[in-house]
Amino acid sequence: DAGVIQSPRHEVTEMGQEVTLRCKPISGHDYLFWYRQTMMRGLELLIYFNNNVPIDDSGMPEDRFSAKMPNASFSTLKIQPSEPRDSAVYFCASSVGLAGVKQYFGPGTRLTVT
Amino acid sequence: AQSVAQPEDQVNVAEGNPLTVKCTYSVSGNPYLFWYVQYPNRGLQFLLKYITGDNLVKGSYGFEAEFNKSQTSFHLKKPSALVSDSALYFCAVREARANNLFFGTGTRLTVIP
Repeated sequence: DAGVIQSPRHEVTEMGQEVTLRCKPISGHDYLFWYRQTMMRGLELLIYFNNNVPIDDSGMPEDRFSAKMPNASFSTLKIQPSEPRDSAVYFCASSVGLAGVKQYFGPGTRLTVT
Repeated sequence: AQSVAQPEDQVNVAEGNPLTVKCTYSVSGNPYLFWYVQYPNRGLQFLLKYITGDNLVKGSYGFEAEFNKSQTSFHLKKPSALVSDSALYFCAVREARANNLFFGTGTRLTVIP
């Protein structure tokens, strides 16, 4: 299995532009998570899905952030408009089940907003 | 409310010496506890978990962790450190009935040759 796939690996954009991050979870996994990692705040859960349905988006910082999962093999995290403080590494993870199971992380997308 | 603390930002240890990376947690119910490792420019990788049963849990790459309920701790240990163990280590906790997995702020382990 290829593991969790994220694209792009690096994204540099100007403030005000729309950014779309993509994730392909491991086949057969029914949970998908989006995390953000910064030096200041560490690793934060933004949102997670179960069977393509958003379950908890309380970690999404503000309305500029949105996430979708149109099918079991694809999810997007969109930031519109982007701001410099959005610069971070964004990880996607997937798992089979929720409680007591390990999550498989993708390699991350390093976003830089100038 | 759930929380997890990793009191040390940085741990240095000489190669061949035992290592300990500390983690304490706070949950209102039974905890599920995890350790993940992150190598440079990579995503997090699962090391081990405690759900129930034996308090000493063995995981990948020779790591183990001991669940101590009275001290609400789940310290990561390895008897003999390798230079290749140098990485960022995250402790995570989930309350058994909760949904969110809470990560600690991470501890950077450096193994000195």
